[in-house]
Parts: sequence; structure tokens; C-alpha cells
Amino acid sequence: GEDVEQSLFLSVREGDSSVINCTYTDSSSTYLYWYKQEPGAGLQLLTYIFSNMDMKQDQRLTVLLNKKDKHLSLRIADTQTGDSAIYFCAESMGINSGGYQKVTFGTGTKLQVIP
Amino acid sequence: EPEVTQTPSHQVTQMGQEVILRCVPISNHLYFYWYRQILGQKVEFLVSFYNNEISEKSEIFDDQFSVERPDGSNFTLKIRSTKLEDSAMYFCASRDGTANTEAFFGQGTRLTVV
Repeated sequence: GEDVEQSLFLSVREGDSSVINCTYTDSSSTYLYWYKQEPGAGLQLLTYIFSNMDMKQDQRLTVLLNKKDKHLSLRIADTQTGDSAIYFCAESMGINSGGYQKVTFGTGTKLQVIP
Repeated sequence: EPEVTQTPSHQVTQMGQEVILRCVPISNHLYFYWYRQILGQKVEFLVSFYNNEISEKSEIFDDQFSVERPDGSNFTLKIRSTKLEDSAMYFCASRDGTANTEAFFGQGTRLTVV
């Protein structure tokens, strides 16, 4: 079955770049996502990348995908204290005949930003 | 901005009792989901619901669980005869009918079974 793995914790200083890594096992994954969860809040989709892309940049966020190694990373430039949260890597195979898009999540990486 | 809302934010129940977790999806959405996250573990898929029926469920979603959309706006997860291991954060999500769009998640209900 599908499996998504992440390191549990990352600590960076404010202003530095953060890189959160993720590996997945399902080679048929079509979409790869990064979700952010702030304390007491739901899961917020930050960005996603299609499996036919290598990189996607969105303001301070850069997603890199190495499909051969099944490795996904999220880089946050100029990390701020407001970026402190849990970041979940997730994957899905996209649409099936029922229109459903099951998402498989990793355990989440807790990012701590030190002022 | 439209959002998925879940109530209550925290529910404490005694082992063996039944609980109903409530969700109000975004109004024009057609696909609804429940996920759960046991503390320190992964966010796990439970069930998806479309056109008033379950479209897919995981092996976790056994006869103890049921879902319902009773009135066209609420989407509920019922857990019968709760066990200690049902303690988790339960997330509701919804998605519109357009292909490849994201699922919007609620803030979660923390269920504690004592």
C-alpha cells in the first residue's frame, strides 16, 4: 500500500531557509501535497505538485520532486516565526472512476522557528 | 472565505458510549470525507461519501462507524460503543465536483475516550 515518511522535527532560526523532506512509496502517485497545520487549526493546503513536474515555486515556497527517488521536499525561504507549525506531506493518485481522490498523509514534521 | 466547520472541537466520552461528530462542509461541495489522526501517528483516511452513499472506506471503518448526511448541510460521523483506541483527532473534509481540486479540511474534533 501507499506509505509516506517524514522526519518528525525540524528547528531553524528566523530568517534561515527550512527544508522539509518526504519520501513516498507509490510510484503511481499523481499529486503530491504539502499541508500546514497550526495549533488548534485544520489542515491547510500550502501547495501541490503534479508528478510530471520537477519543481514548483510559490513566493517563499519551493517544492522539489525527484520522481526517480520518490523524494519530495518543501523549502521555505526566510522562515518566520509564523511558519511554526506541523507540515504534512501527502500523495494521491488523482481521480478514479468514482471521482474520488484518496489522500495518504505522512506523520507530519513539526517546524520550530527560533527567533 | 468559505470553510469546513466541525463541532464540537473537543469531545470527551466514556468507553462504550456512542458519539456523533458533526461537520458542515462548504455549501456547494459534493464529496465529503472523514480522516482521523491518533496522537503521534499519521492522518488516516476513514471514508468518502458522494451522492448520499459511501464511495470508499478504509479497513478502519468497520461496523462501529457510520456516516450520514441527514439534512443536506451536515455530514456526521457516528461511532458506536467507543473504545479507548478511538481517541484521536477526527478531520472532516469536502471537495467540489470539479476534477483535481483540493479537499478543504475542518479544524478537527478531538475525541477523548475515557
